[in-house]
Amino acid sequence: SQTIHQWPATLVQPVGSPLSLECTVEGTSNPNLYWYRQAAGRGLQLLFYSVGIGQISSEVPQNLSASRPQDRQFILSSKKLLLSDSGFYLCAWSTRGHSNEQFFGPGTRLTVL
Amino acid sequence: KQEVTQIPAALSVPEGENLVLNCSFTDSAIYNLQWFRQDPGKGLTSLLLIQSSQREQTSGRLNASLDKSSGRSTLYIAASQPGDSATYLCAVGGHTGGFKTIFGAGTRLFVKA
Repeated sequence: SQTIHQWPATLVQPVGSPLSLECTVEGTSNPNLYWYRQAAGRGLQLLFYSVGIGQISSEVPQNLSASRPQDRQFILSSKKLLLSDSGFYLCAWSTRGHSNEQFFGPGTRLTVL
Repeated sequence: KQEVTQIPAALSVPEGENLVLNCSFTDSAIYNLQWFRQDPGKGLTSLLLIQSSQREQTSGRLNASLDKSSGRSTLYIAASQPGDSATYLCAVGGHTGGFKTIFGAGTRLFVKA
């Protein structure tokens, strides 16, 4: 069966510090991968998605970047965090194709102070 | 631009009651619609996926319907239990952009014992 992992589970970082969140998927090959952010009291916002190694599409201009160095690894990064980067970050995967179900990881709670 | 709205924002019901959660979307050109459950501080759990060619899906006490022409979906929960207490999110798989999924803000459900 497929599983998706995210770490760390929680993170407290000062403004201006770098960020690296990691997501890995097991039990599937060539998945589509997604990064979402969920701000308090708001819906999920798609940040990045990837259809293959090194292929990243950005949905919104922001202080963050994403990379996919391996087929089942997706990394969210920032060089300098802002207060507004605080939120709940969720990684998701789906099989290839437009009509396929998305499955989510457990999330990372990021607090920028 | 696709917009997804969920009504009501919050709902409190006594245990055993049948209930309906509503989701509406503005662009009927969708690939699929997915219902998720989210417990506080946790990731999303997929409940039901309805493809654009389908009218409904059922899983246990849950039934989701889709009416593309009117831009509506409902999630019916039969014989609600305190363990059903969570936030329920509706997500529409978009036609434009290929892999873009738009989420509603969710309905927070509380089932009283």
